[in-house]
Amino acid sequence: QKEVEQNSGPLSVPEGAIASLNCTYSDRGSQSFFWYRQYSGKSPELIMFIYSNGDKEDGRFTAQLNKASQYVSLLIRDSQPSDSATYLCAVNDDTGRRALTFGSGTRLQVQP
Amino acid sequence: DVKVTQSSRYLVKRTGEKVFLECVQDMDHENMFWYRQDPGLGLRLIYFSYDVKMKEKGDIPEGYSVSREKKERFSLILESASTNQTSMYLCASSRVQGIEQYFGPGTRLTVT
Repeated sequence: QKEVEQNSGPLSVPEGAIASLNCTYSDRGSQSFFWYRQYSGKSPELIMFIYSNGDKEDGRFTAQLNKASQYVSLLIRDSQPSDSATYLCAVNDDTGRRALTFGSGTRLQVQP
Repeated sequence: DVKVTQSSRYLVKRTGEKVFLECVQDMDHENMFWYRQDPGLGLRLIYFSYDVKMKEKGDIPEGYSVSREKKERFSLILESASTNQTSMYLCASSRVQGIEQYFGPGTRLTVT
């Protein structure tokens, strides 16, 4: 059974700080990694994806991937109260079925 | 902009009823997915489809069936609703070679 693990939180950071969200996955064959943001009562929204080892930056967001350690993280710089949400890590299924396996999410709270 | 719509935001049904949840996407995506989301369990894949009239079981297909008669429409059917099917149901779509999925707003189903 493929697993994607996230700390459920809540992770509480002050406004302006860096929030660091972590995710580990069990399937070494996974190739693609995604971060979704989900506000309470809303559906998930794709914010970042990463395919290669290393860092990928997009505005205030940086995704980091370490395939050897089976670890992917999301850094949010200059955190804002509007970043308060649940962040879902998702990993592709390498069987070819093009489905994603999701973690249960980390709730982030940014304190003003 | 990718647009995925779902037929209802909130639905209340009685045990034993047949329930239809509909999903429509307007971006000509080949792949469509149905998930359910429960607290602490994350998103779990129920069924998915790569093409018209094609369907494949996800991780938790029991008690559900699907129909895809047109490319843009993917229906989830609860043959005989039970209280343990009370959940948030999310539809998603992706393009044929894409992995990133785009979600509809969700249907919160309550079975009493």
